[in-house]
Amino acid sequence: DGGITQSPKYLFRKEGQNVTLSCEQNLNHDAMYWYRQDPGQGLRLIYYSQIVNDFQKGDIAEGYSVSREKKESFPLTVTSAQKNPTAFYLCASSGGQGLSGNTIYFGEGSWLTVV
Amino acid sequence: DAKTTQPTSMDCAEGRAANLPCNHSTISGNEYVYWYRQIHSQGPQYIIHGLKNNETNEMASLIITEDRKSSTLILPHATLRDTAVYYCIVRVANAGGTSYGKLTFGQGTILTVHP
Repeated sequence: DGGITQSPKYLFRKEGQNVTLSCEQNLNHDAMYWYRQDPGQGLRLIYYSQIVNDFQKGDIAEGYSVSREKKESFPLTVTSAQKNPTAFYLCASSGGQGLSGNTIYFGEGSWLTVV
Repeated sequence: DAKTTQPTSMDCAEGRAANLPCNHSTISGNEYVYWYRQIHSQGPQYIIHGLKNNETNEMASLIITEDRKSSTLILPHATLRDTAVYYCIVRVANAGGTSYGKLTFGQGTILTVHP
């Protein structure tokens, strides 16, 4: 079945360590996104990519990095520079062309806890 | 990006219709209205989207006003499993005219369906 796979579902990190969250999609979508969600809060955009080898900062990009070497993959690295990384991280993708309003799909999310 | 305004919370009796409003008074002509819902600790689930015509699918109906400044999501027969946070999102089309675009989430409406 087509979809977005995020891994790991739960991750614990020690302070000062970098950690990478995986996001893979087999929907042949060009655009991919990373969001952060804190308890009781809405989603905030970290980074997004509209095409391979290109990505743009979102609203809260500081302390995060991404790469888009392949169309199906958009990993997110949470660096030690991120002051408060404990959160729920969501990956999404969308695709197609023209002004048809393509559906945006989300993964099931990854919980990151700094210990 | 056009912003959306939703009520913080709403209640609905099981079996009755749930009508969730959304205001998007600054929406542009090529922006779509999307609705998603999120159950705790899961990724957002796509419900429905539209440009200017009313839309219906197996989950819900979307009513968009003629001036496109507001919309209403209708769950015709709410069940307890419909209890979730519902997000109304306006999606930007990029300058190239494709339907890519970053997503801007508001706080959403907490819908509680009670017996």
